[in-house]
Amino acid sequence: GQNIDQPTEMTATEGAIVQINCTYQTSGFNGLFWYQQHAGEAPTFLSYNVLDGLEEKGRFSSFLSRSKGYSYLLLKELQMKDSASYLCAVRVLDSNYQLIWGAGTKLIIKP
Amino acid sequence: KAGVTQTPRYLIKTRGQQVTLSCSPISGHRSVSWYQQTPGQGLQFLFEYFSETQRNKGNFPGRFSGRQFSNSRSEMNVSTLELGDSALYLCASSLGWDRGYGYTFGSGTRLTVV
Repeated sequence: GQNIDQPTEMTATEGAIVQINCTYQTSGFNGLFWYQQHAGEAPTFLSYNVLDGLEEKGRFSSFLSRSKGYSYLLLKELQMKDSASYLCAVRVLDSNYQLIWGAGTKLIIKP
Repeated sequence: KAGVTQTPRYLIKTRGQQVTLSCSPISGHRSVSWYQQTPGQGLQFLFEYFSETQRNKGNFPGRFSGRQFSNSRSEMNVSTLELGDSALYLCASSLGWDRGYGYTFGSGTRLTVV
C-alpha cells in the first residue's frame, strides 16, 4: 500500500526555525512535493524534490533522502503568515504517476 | 495569466440530488485533477484527466464521475448525494503529469449536503 506520514500539528515561535518531517512508503517514487495551505484557501506549490539533497528557496528549504523514504521542509525566520498547513505529496511511479498526499501538518506560529 | 477557476464557489444541495462542478485550468495546462478535502482527511484523490482521457482514478464510488473537454475544461458530477459528500472539492491543473510539473489549485467549491 501507499502511506505518507506527517505530524498532525506543530507549534513554533516567530523568528525561529522549524522542520516539518514527511516519511513515505510507496511502490515506486517519482518526486516529492510540498504545498502550503492557509485556512480556507487552496494549496500553493512550495517545492519539488526528485534527487537526494537539499533544495533552497529563500526562507524555505526542502530535503529528500530516497533511500530512507524521508523528506523535510525547513522554514527559517518564521513569520506569523507562515501559520498554515503544510502538505507533503509523493508521485508514485507504479500507479501511473498518481500523487499520494499526506494528511498535512498544521503549523501554529506564536509571537 | 488567469489562474484555475472553479465554479460555483459554494453550493448547498439536498440528499439524493446530483451536482456538477466546473473547473477551467490555466491556459495551456492539459492535466486536470480533482480532489475532495474534509477536515482531518487531507486531500483525497478523485481522478485525473489529460487530453480528455482519464489517466487515474481514486477509490471513490461510481457516483463520482468526471470528464474533460477539448479545451481542457473539466467537470465532475456527483449523483445521489449523501451527507458525507459535504466537503471542499478542489481542482488542480498542470502542464503534464510527469516530472516536476507542479499543480496549481483553484479556490475550490464548498459543497454542503443537507
